[in-house]
Amino acid sequence: GAGVSQTPSNKVTEKGKYVELRCDPISGHTALYWYRQSLGQGPEFLIYFQGTGAADDSGLPNDRFFAVRPEGSVSTLKIQRTERGDSAVYLCASSSLGGVEETQYFGPGTRLLVL
Amino acid sequence: QQQVKQSPQSLIVQKGGISIINCAYENTAFDYFPWYQQFPGKGPALLIAIRPDVSEKKEGRFTISFNKSAKQFSLHIMDSQPGDSATYFCAASMGDYKLSFGAGTTVTVRA
Repeated sequence: GAGVSQTPSNKVTEKGKYVELRCDPISGHTALYWYRQSLGQGPEFLIYFQGTGAADDSGLPNDRFFAVRPEGSVSTLKIQRTERGDSAVYLCASSSLGGVEETQYFGPGTRLLVL
Repeated sequence: QQQVKQSPQSLIVQKGGISIINCAYENTAFDYFPWYQQFPGKGPALLIAIRPDVSEKKEGRFTISFNKSAKQFSLHIMDSQPGDSATYFCAASMGDYKLSFGAGTTVTVRA
């Protein structure tokens, strides 16, 4: 594909519900990242995948958040028992190999609103 | 706890003017400092980046100045154009993939 795509672009849910956010990275990119961007803030690192495995999930705020990348391409960020504080833009990025100083290419994000 | 502090929060500049955005950090382990540009409804896109062994890097109208002793770095946008109106983020990493972003600066260029 031409770039990183994310679906849905917007998601409105009710407190306590479960949501899944999808990321399609640039074809061939082995490294994939999830970030969360709250209103008026910069992106905050959540998790990094190298291939199919989560190499670093230190940014996940708690155990309600989980992400998978079963075939080393598409990734899904899953949030259980959503809370109003989870409302944010969830950004996905990918890079070729995940090395130092590699450009991370960001998708447009999914805007999550928890009512 | 924000590891990279960015200022100002917003700025307005006339077309043709210079926009200056400043960032400061505390962690001396940071060794890679990229700047990202974000338009409304889009994800951030890499603009320019610098390593601490270089004091200045220029790409077109965009220049990064780096002061290692002061632990500060800045982005200068020369000859600002309306198309430069966007939010700019400085970031830093410690020799790995994990970027720590500043809070962002919204730049408005008035025609």
